[in-house]
Amino acid sequence: GAVVSQHPSWVICKSGTSVKIECRSLDFQATTMFWYRQFPKQSLMLMATSNEGSKATYEQGVEKDKFLINHASLTLSTLTVTSAHPEDSSFYICSARWTGGNSPLHFGNGTRLTVT
Amino acid sequence: QKEVEQDPGPLSVPEGAIVSLNCTYSNSAFQYFMWYRQYSRKGPELLMYTYSSGNKEDGRFTAQVDKSSKYISLFIRDSQPSDSATYLCAMKDTGKLIFGQGTTLQVKP
Repeated sequence: GAVVSQHPSWVICKSGTSVKIECRSLDFQATTMFWYRQFPKQSLMLMATSNEGSKATYEQGVEKDKFLINHASLTLSTLTVTSAHPEDSSFYICSARWTGGNSPLHFGNGTRLTVT
Repeated sequence: QKEVEQDPGPLSVPEGAIVSLNCTYSNSAFQYFMWYRQYSRKGPELLMYTYSSGNKEDGRFTAQVDKSSKYISLFIRDSQPSDSATYLCAMKDTGKLIFGQGTTLQVKP
């Protein structure tokens, strides 16, 4: 089955620094990947849609200059949280579709970011 | 009103019980329905994927979709302590995937 790998699984950084999170599709090519954010005991909130070879599409209220997304290949998308602040502490999860546009999403195991 | 409503629970049942998890939705255009299981500090894992109305069974899990009532269910038979997790319903038409809040389930041995 489809496997999505996310790295790192957790990271602690200081305020003002930047953190990069990687999302890889291990056994399939993903032209589109999705980045979600999840607060404790809440559902997943879509942040942006990452498109291979083009600019990401951000959801309303998500700062594109703060959450930089790069999708340089069919198997890798990265999310960089720039100038991180404590309020950016959250669980970030990426996902990808295995096949066509209406096939279900498969998720990575998430990255827990703590900004001190 | 949220597009997808899901009771957050928590729901606590004894081992071996039949569990019923439910979601209601307001958008009649939704055609694709999914159930995900999420363990603590992990990403969601796809359990069931259904298109349109009807039932789908996979082992101990049965997904049910009633489009006329805008209501979907996930049944877990012979529940096990390892089923303790948060269960998220999700659905879409041609746009983005919309998630419910998730129901926390605890199966006690």
